[in-house]
Amino acid sequence: IAGITQAPTSQILAAGRRMTLRCTQDMRHNAMYWYRQDLGLGLRLIHYSNTAGTTGKGEVPDGYSVSRANTDDFPLTLASAVPSQTSVYFCASSDEGASYNEQFFGPGTRLTVL
Amino acid sequence: GQSLEQPSEVTAVEGAIVQINCTYQTSGFYGLSWYQQHDGGAPTFLSYNALDGLEETGRFSSFLSRSDSYGYLLLQELQMKDSASYFCAVRKPGGGNKLTFGTGTQLKVEL
Repeated sequence: IAGITQAPTSQILAAGRRMTLRCTQDMRHNAMYWYRQDLGLGLRLIHYSNTAGTTGKGEVPDGYSVSRANTDDFPLTLASAVPSQTSVYFCASSDEGASYNEQFFGPGTRLTVL
Repeated sequence: GQSLEQPSEVTAVEGAIVQINCTYQTSGFYGLSWYQQHDGGAPTFLSYNALDGLEETGRFSSFLSRSDSYGYLLLQELQMKDSASYFCAVRKPGGGNKLTFGTGTQLKVEL
């Protein structure tokens, strides 16, 4: 693995189903983030984790949950998917100690909820 | 809260110079970043300004004026491969590197 990976690449999901989007990084970054990107709305923060064992809510957390059991993995779960959660989901990571504030993004998961 | 404004689209010709502006409103300022995104792929980091002035990285430069709550990304010697979306972002207060992104500017480079 080099950098940050996400799975699946894309998914079509029936409303009401549970879904977990996976995110793994191998850069030993302490901070990780989940964003959703919708047309015309840019990237919006869903949840974040500043370090393993801690998580926090972003701008649009409702309907989503996260966990951070270790440094490398940061899964995002939709407990009961709704059509408004149709979006492209990006996972990102950063070295919180860096002064230049760079976030590294995964390739994204395209999720369609019908 | 925090909000950022960018033009939605900019068109320029190959070889030209283009400036993408970003104005922001934020409670507490921790720096302005720029990201590039090609065709809905992974956004990639371009630059970060914490202090006023110009930061130059090759063909790309970024400027910040904290007193005006304004910044811009300057792209010189435009190439076709620069056609992409460009996002400015500010760091959220409350610690960490959480970002609030603008809605993005789609740059179209034409021959």
